[in-house]
Amino acid sequence: AQSVAQPEDQVNVAEGNPLTVKCTYSVSGNPYLFWYVQYPNRGLQFLLKYITGDNLVKGSYGFEAEFNKSQTSFHLKKPSALVSDSALYFCAVRDGGSQGNLIFGKGTKLSVKP
Amino acid sequence: GAGVSQSPSNKVTEKGKDVELRCDPISGHTALYWYRQRLGQGLEFLIYFQGNSAPDKSGLPSDRFSAERTGESVSTLTIQRTQQEDSAVYLCASSLGQGLNQPQHFGDGTRLSIL
Repeated sequence: AQSVAQPEDQVNVAEGNPLTVKCTYSVSGNPYLFWYVQYPNRGLQFLLKYITGDNLVKGSYGFEAEFNKSQTSFHLKKPSALVSDSALYFCAVRDGGSQGNLIFGKGTKLSVKP
Repeated sequence: GAGVSQSPSNKVTEKGKDVELRCDPISGHTALYWYRQRLGQGLEFLIYFQGNSAPDKSGLPSDRFSAERTGESVSTLTIQRTQQEDSAVYLCASSLGQGLNQPQHFGDGTRLSIL
């Protein structure tokens, strides 16, 4: 069965410092991986995806994610955090052998302090 | 509009009443998804429509939940005889086809509160 784990409920960083939001996955086939961000009272916004190719994927708002097949991880990163990055971040996976819905992690709340 | 539109944005109703939630997907998007987000939780998949194919209803939690979609346009999610545990944000998403690499675009959700 497909699953996604986000081991941290909350991540706190100071503005200007690098940030990492962790995600690990489990699928039976090739993974299709996504990161979404959710601001208060809003729907989810797509940030980036990994399908195939380079393990480092660049996305919106300066975010990037590193795919690591051996560790089954897809951690979200940003070199320099902004206060406006504070939001809820969701990792999601789709099994390459199936169709349809995404499987989401429980989300990680990112708090960036000035 | 340019994005996925959901209505109403908020709905408060009494236990036992029926509710109907609406989703207008992005024009041209053949795939449509409904998810439920409980307070402090991730997203639970409910149902998935792709074109004129039979919907994937595997995520519906009970027979009180149903959804319809007319062609490749509007979808409605209906909850009958609502219970307090139905209180959640219901999110709709659409994507350009069912391709595995297609990102889903989400509406802002309907916040449902059952008294």
